[in-house]
Order: sequence, then C-alpha cells, then structure tokens
Amino acid sequence: GQQVMQIPQYQHVQEGEDFTTYCNSSTTLSNIQWYKQRPGGHPVFLIQLVKSGEVKKQKRLTFQFGEAKKNSSLHITATQTTDVGTYFCAGGRGAQKLVFGQGTRLTINP
Amino acid sequence: NAGVMQNPRHLVRRRGQEARLRCSPVKGHSHVYWYRQLPEEGLKFMVYLQKENIIDESGMPKERFSAEFPKEGPSILRIQQVVRGDSAAYFCASSPLDSLNTEAFFGQGTRLTVV
Repeated sequence: GQQVMQIPQYQHVQEGEDFTTYCNSSTTLSNIQWYKQRPGGHPVFLIQLVKSGEVKKQKRLTFQFGEAKKNSSLHITATQTTDVGTYFCAGGRGAQKLVFGQGTRLTINP
Repeated sequence: NAGVMQNPRHLVRRRGQEARLRCSPVKGHSHVYWYRQLPEEGLKFMVYLQKENIIDESGMPKERFSAEFPKEGPSILRIQQVVRGDSAAYFCASSPLDSLNTEAFFGQGTRLTVV
C-alpha cells in the first residue's frame, strides 16, 4: 500500500532560524495536505497542494509539491515559539482516507 | 459554528471492557473518518463512513472494532474487550459532501487508556 515518509523525525532550532521538513510518497499523489498538531492537541489543516510543481505561501510558511507529485516540503522562515508542534504531511484524495507521514516534531529554543 | 465534537476527551478502561467513542461532525458534513494515533507516531486511517453506510473500513482491525454513523446522532467507534495495545488517541474527522477537494476537519480526539 501507499507509504508516506517524513524527515527529519525531530528538529530543534534556535528561535529565528529556518526549518524545513520533507515528505516522500512511494506512489504518485493526487494531492498532499499539511497539518500541524500542537502537543496534546489535534491536527489542524494548514494547506492542500494539488498541482505538479505547485508552490504556496502562508506568511512565513512555504509549501512545495514536487514535479512528479511524489514529494513535498514545508519551509518555515525565521521560526517563532508559536511554531512549536508536529508537522504532518498526508496524501489522499481530498479528505478521503489520508495516509499520514510520521511527522516532524519541531522544538524551538527561545 | 461548532467544529467536530468528540467525547469523551479521556477514557480509561480495564482490559476486557468495552470502549465507546462518539463523534459529532461539523454541521452539514456528511462524511466521517476515524484515525488512530499511537504516541510519537502519525495518524493511521481506520474507517470512512457516510450516513448509515461504511464506505471504506480497510484500516479497521478485523476483530473487536466496529463503527457506525446512524441517520440520527453521532458516529460511534466501538472497541470490545479492550487490550493494552488499544491505548491511543482516536481522532474523528469530517468533511462536506465534496470530500475530494477539501480538507478534513479534526476533532480534539479521545485519549483511550487501557489499564
């Protein structure tokens, strides 16, 4: 079955440094979604990418979808303490049967 | 506008007991999904339901687990004869009719602890 891998598993940065997490799928994805989960919280939708090579920005967050639609990345510029949490990518068909990566847990030293 | 409501938030069961987890989707959403999350892991798909129908239960363990989404009332995930390995966070998500082009809205989860 489809597998979605994320690296790194953990990332610790100083506040103000950049952060990137990478997502790779074993199969071509219809779309990819990114979620953020705070410690003890629930996944909160960040964005969905659909098109090959798509790049979307949300303030300090930049999301990319690879040309082959098998990989994706999330880059955060100048991290802030509010960025702490685990970032998950998930492949699927819209909201249906999402296959989640293991997540990248971001911790920040203020 | 209420989001996805799950209850209870925390549930403690002894081995062999039954656990019933409830999920009320966002008003107007007709698709419900259940996911399980073990500590330090990603979410694993369990089951996809629409009103009165199970659409995809490929992620459900074959025994002891069942799910329903009746015409009236919340969706229920039922775990019979719980074992320690069932301890996890169970998240419910919902989406509107056109689920192919939309996000999943997650509830706050039920943390099940089996003692």
